[in-house]
Amino acid sequence: EIVLTQSPATLSLSPGERATLSCRASQTVSTNLAWYQQKPGQAPRLLIHDASNRATGIPARFSGSGSGTDFTLTISSLEPEDFAVYYCQQRSNWPLTFGGGTKVEIK
Amino acid sequence: EVQLMESGGGLVKPGGSLTLSCAASGFAFSSCNMNWVRQAPGKGLEWVSSITSSSSYIYYANSVKGRFTISRDNAKNSLYLQMNSLRVEDTAVYYCARSRFVPGSIGDFDYWGQGALVTVSS
Repeated sequence: EIVLTQSPATLSLSPGERATLSCRASQTVSTNLAWYQQKPGQAPRLLIHDASNRATGIPARFSGSGSGTDFTLTISSLEPEDFAVYYCQQRSNWPLTFGGGTKVEIK
Repeated sequence: EVQLMESGGGLVKPGGSLTLSCAASGFAFSSCNMNWVRQAPGKGLEWVSSITSSSSYIYYANSVKGRFTISRDNAKNSLYLQMNSLRVEDTAVYYCARSRFVPGSIGDFDYWGQGALVTVSS
């Protein structure tokens, strides 16, 4: 099973700041990695697929990068609605797995 | 508009059974791979099961293999999850999720329902 490790667990930032979230895979997943955003009481929302491709309707301030085992989600300038939990997920191997999440909170 | 609506959640005793349903609309359901993902209270996301568009391939997480059965009825635009021998640790919100189309792959999840809460407790 591919283990995805997200860091940090919590990121405390102010609106307008840049957020950098990390996801590391225990073995290569090529670029078969997605990022999701989840707000309290809501279902997750797909942000990025194939490591660097924004999903439909996702603002340009969200960007993804990486390949192999190391991936980054960057939010260039945090908006109030961006404070949420973010998960990475790999589809390279069965079973499909998610990272443990990074909570982006208001400082 | 793509819509996924889960139903069938509730309270069940350990060892009991429950069947979740997911009604799909707004897209060509019969052409899409579908999935169940769960989230225990206060915890992260866990993939549970996937089924290809024609039910040719089915996959399960080890934690539910042999106890849960995924199925679909393309004529009814519906996805199901039959859950048997339920355990306390199966308590979670269960989401129905559509796979983004990726040739030859289950893909990631581009649309999600709002979830159905399953509580396993005596």
